[in-house]
Amino acid sequence: GEDVEQSLFLSVREGDSSVINCTYTDSSSTYLYWYKQEPGAGLQLLTYIFSNMDMKQDQRLTVLLNKKDKHLSLRIADTQTGDSAIYFCAERGYSGAGSYQLTFGKGTKLSVIP
Amino acid sequence: SAVISQKPSRDICQRGTSLTIQCQVDSQVTMMFWYRQQPGQSLTLIATANQGSEATYESGFVIDKFPISRPNLTFSTLTVSNMSPEDSSIYLCSVDPLLGGAPEAFFGQGTRLTVV
Repeated sequence: GEDVEQSLFLSVREGDSSVINCTYTDSSSTYLYWYKQEPGAGLQLLTYIFSNMDMKQDQRLTVLLNKKDKHLSLRIADTQTGDSAIYFCAERGYSGAGSYQLTFGKGTKLSVIP
Repeated sequence: SAVISQKPSRDICQRGTSLTIQCQVDSQVTMMFWYRQQPGQSLTLIATANQGSEATYESGFVIDKFPISRPNLTFSTLTVSNMSPEDSSIYLCSVDPLLGGAPEAFFGQGTRLTVV
């Protein structure tokens, strides 16, 4: 099946930028997503990017997509302690019989040091 | 956007019993999805629920263990049957992206299940 890979941990100092990386294998992916999950909470959609774009910026968040290398990154500028959470990368791919589904990475735990 | 409500938000259940989780969407959707997130793990798709047809289960998940209902375009239930401690997880429902042309894939807040 299709695969999405992420590094498991990232630690940054408050005020620095965080960059979370993700690679995927499905060449038919149409959209790629970043979700945030805080302890004990559900999934919060942070942002998404269409597969024919290479960059999307939304306030402190910048998503970069290298479709050739199937590499996605999420940059968080001026990282705050409230950004501490697990960040999931997901890709929307075709699963057959007219159906699409999301495939998730294992998540990157971001720790922000005050 | 879609607002997805799940009930219950959490429960502690005895092994051997069953729990039914409800998912309500504030707009009509074709496909709804049920995911499981085991402790410290990522999300795994259990099944896709289409209105008017049987749910489609992913490898490793079977209807007898996780029966799903989809009585209309705004509602679905997932039952976790004959529970064991290994079923302790967060269960989340989601709706098909591209709802009304928007690609956002929204999730309910999840049901945190502990089986003792």
